[in-house]
Amino acid sequence: TQLLEQSPQFLSIQEGENLTVYCNSSSVFSSLQWYRQEPGEGPVLLVTVVTGGEVKKLKRLTFQFGDARKDSSLHITAAQPGDTGLYLCAGATGGYQKVTFGTGTKLQVIP
Amino acid sequence: IAGITQAPTSQILAAGRRMTLRCTQDMRHNAMYWYRQDLGLGLRLIHYSNTAGTTGKGEVPDGYSVSRANTDDFPLTLASAVPSQTSVYFCASRLTTNTEAFFGQGTRLTVV
Repeated sequence: TQLLEQSPQFLSIQEGENLTVYCNSSSVFSSLQWYRQEPGEGPVLLVTVVTGGEVKKLKRLTFQFGDARKDSSLHITAAQPGDTGLYLCAGATGGYQKVTFGTGTKLQVIP
Repeated sequence: IAGITQAPTSQILAAGRRMTLRCTQDMRHNAMYWYRQDLGLGLRLIHYSNTAGTTGKGEVPDGYSVSRANTDDFPLTLASAVPSQTSVYFCASRLTTNTEAFFGQGTRLTVV
């Protein structure tokens, strides 16, 4: 069983602060995705990373895939209330259509 | 239909009853998945299907069954519901492993 651990589990910060969310596993993934989920909705894709060491930026969000493709991080600069939500990482293994989701990080950004 | 649709949106079910959660997508995606989400945190994979006619077990398959008779539909059946199956259930589909997964709106199931 591939286990994706996310940390922290909960995070409450003030608007304008920076934060980093981590996604770690002992397994190697062919790709890793980050999703954001709002209450009452399904997760929505933010980014996909496929190459070890890859860094992708989406406005104030920076995503990094570890060199060994076992871990990833999401960094948010100058957080805004609109960033509030549940952040989920999801790893896929090559050759299989089975995707494992992480344990989730619930972020609250206080105005 | 545009995207992926789940039905019902919510259900209260007596323990021991049989229940089928429906999932339909119109994107011609090969892979479909059923997840359960507890306490508003991470999703756990129940069953998946790589393509029509094939299914596989995920992390927590016990008490659930699926079928994939065609590309569009992927129903999830609880043969005899138990309170521990109270959860929010999400169906998802994707074209291939590395592409975006599209999720339904979820089915909130309460087993009493």
